[in-house]
Amino acid sequence: EAGVTQFPSHSVIEKGQTVTLRCDPISGHDNLYWYRRVMGKEIKFLLHFVKESKQDESGMPNNRFLAERTGGTYSTLKVQPAELEDSGVYFCASSSRGLEETQYFGPGTRLLVL
Amino acid sequence: AQSVTQLDSQVPVFEEAPVELRCNYSSSVSVYLFWYVQYPNQGLQLLLKYLSGSTLVKGINGFEAEFNKSQTSFHLRKPSVHISDTAEYFCAVSWQGGGNKLTFGTGTQLKVEL
Repeated sequence: EAGVTQFPSHSVIEKGQTVTLRCDPISGHDNLYWYRRVMGKEIKFLLHFVKESKQDESGMPNNRFLAERTGGTYSTLKVQPAELEDSGVYFCASSSRGLEETQYFGPGTRLLVL
Repeated sequence: AQSVTQLDSQVPVFEEAPVELRCNYSSSVSVYLFWYVQYPNQGLQLLLKYLSGSTLVKGINGFEAEFNKSQTSFHLRKPSVHISDTAEYFCAVSWQGGGNKLTFGTGTQLKVEL
């Protein structure tokens, strides 16, 4: 069974540009999460999808971030326009059900905004 | 609000020595507790989790953790470490009423030396 995959693995962009990160969850997992780790800090929750619906987006930093999960399969996270403070590692995770279920993490996308 | 503290940012230890990585949490409600490990250039992998029941939880790769409610701790231990245990370790919590999101500590870098 394939794990959570993320694309790209690395991205280097200029301030003001747009970047789109993609996450493919484990097949059959209804729950999909985005997290971010800014260098030297803790991993922080961004948002949670259940199928195609946003269940919790309390961690989204501002309206420059847009997450979608059309059809309840893969998800994209777009940052537009990117700022220097958006640099970090963006992790995606998925789980089959709810609170007690293990969240399986992808390898992350390393974003550097110059 | 719930929070997680990992006081040790780095822990050096010699191979075959025991190790304890400390995790304390703050919460006014019941929590679920997790330890994840991130090997270099990989995603986060679940080591073990505490949901309920026995306070001593055994995980993969010979790790175990003990839930101590009175001290609000969930320290991770291994009686004899190996070079391959060199990685970053994250403690995380989730809780009833908090959605499914995980709140992470800042991570502990375990470096095993010969």
